[in-house]
Amino acid sequence: DAMVIQNPRYQVTQFGKPVTLSCSQTLNHNVMYWYQQKSSQAPKLLFHYYDKDFNNEADTPDNFQSRRPNTSFCFLDIRSPGLGDAAMYLCATSRASNQPQHFGDGTRLSIL
Amino acid sequence: DQQVKQNSPSLSVQEGRISILNCDYTNSMFDYFLWYKKYPAEGPTFLISISSIKDKNEDGRFTVFLNKSAKHLSLHIVPSQPGDSAVYFCASMTGANNLFFGTGTRLTVIP
Repeated sequence: DAMVIQNPRYQVTQFGKPVTLSCSQTLNHNVMYWYQQKSSQAPKLLFHYYDKDFNNEADTPDNFQSRRPNTSFCFLDIRSPGLGDAAMYLCATSRASNQPQHFGDGTRLSIL
Repeated sequence: DQQVKQNSPSLSVQEGRISILNCDYTNSMFDYFLWYKKYPAEGPTFLISISSIKDKNEDGRFTVFLNKSAKHLSLHIVPSQPGDSAVYFCASMTGANNLFFGTGTRLTVIP
């Protein structure tokens, strides 16, 4: 089945220690997204790639970076995680703008 | 500022009855609306969508209604089944890629 796969499902890192979350897709979609979802809140878009074009949301902290080395993979790098960055991180893809987004199962990040 | 609101955090419905989940939005530029379903420990799964040029879209047991003048949409599930028990997120977008989510409504279908 075509899928959006996020690894790992659970990630624990130390305060200030860089961490990378990964996402891969077999849907061959053009657009890939990263969302942050904190407890009892709506998912919030951090940034997205339309092909190789990177689009950062205005209020995404500089601490968060992303890479998309090819169509299938997209990475979320958190350079110096703080306690407030503990959350569920969701990757999504869509064929194009204004198309339904398909989500992975998320990576739950904990900060010690 | 929450542009998409789901004011009911939870809803319980008897199996076989209708479930109605509601969503309100504030941004008149939104032109595409979606409902997602989420089970525990899984990502949101796309359920059904509606464009702003329509006021109704049906897919099997699921129907989404859009009232643009009231900036309101609803999801009807008929008949409700125990497997429908999940958290339902309403989401809205403009022509750009940003999807704005509500905070979700937890639906429990009682057998």
